[in-house]
Amino acid sequence: QKEVEQNSGPLSVPEGAIASLNCTYSDRGSQSFFWYRQYSGKSPELIMSIYSNGDKEDGRFTAQLNKASQYVSLLIRDSQPSDSATYLCAVNVGGSYIPTFGRGTSLIVHP
Amino acid sequence: KAGVTQTPRYLIKTRGQQVTLSCSPISGHRSVSWYQQTPGQGLQFLFEYFSETQRNKGNFPGRFSGRQFSNSRSEMNVSTLELGDSALYLCASSLGGQFNSYEQYFGPGTRLTVT
Repeated sequence: QKEVEQNSGPLSVPEGAIASLNCTYSDRGSQSFFWYRQYSGKSPELIMSIYSNGDKEDGRFTAQLNKASQYVSLLIRDSQPSDSATYLCAVNVGGSYIPTFGRGTSLIVHP
Repeated sequence: KAGVTQTPRYLIKTRGQQVTLSCSPISGHRSVSWYQQTPGQGLQFLFEYFSETQRNKGNFPGRFSGRQFSNSRSEMNVSTLELGDSALYLCASSLGGQFNSYEQYFGPGTRLTVT
């Protein structure tokens, strides 16, 4: 079982809709969770970090963490074509200083 | 606050040559990590340096090496280049666990092409 798993997509949503991106992880002891956005040909950009169970909101982005079920999700409200990118989930597995990255989910927001 | 910088941004090398890439972290960050990203393999961790010491290492051959200087700047070296080394090489800086912070911030990357 891979340590951090994401559906590769693509996930296609219409403009204005809510995009829901999901990530599961294998290590129950993981404490730090991150979402990165990567545009084609660019480097990953940190958009959210979450450490406690529940929801964390930042503008149009909401990260949701459920440690009991070992998943973390990212909701993007009022999706825009400019949100079209690959979203990477990263988890500090096993107390490591270094996050383990998932393969990413490609999101396409069409007008 | 200035972000992570990487030089050069693009490189074309010939198989068998060696290459050195440079990374300057965000001011105050003592951890620098290096990643290789290819379309087929995704983001793969190479190694991490913290306060001039290699603290973590990924599963790459010994041709890949790195170092960190006292000002936290880091270099990565690849010797005897192979065609498969063509990739985007990313550097990321972080506080490295200080103040319980593990957030990594990436530089723009160096696009290496081996011919």
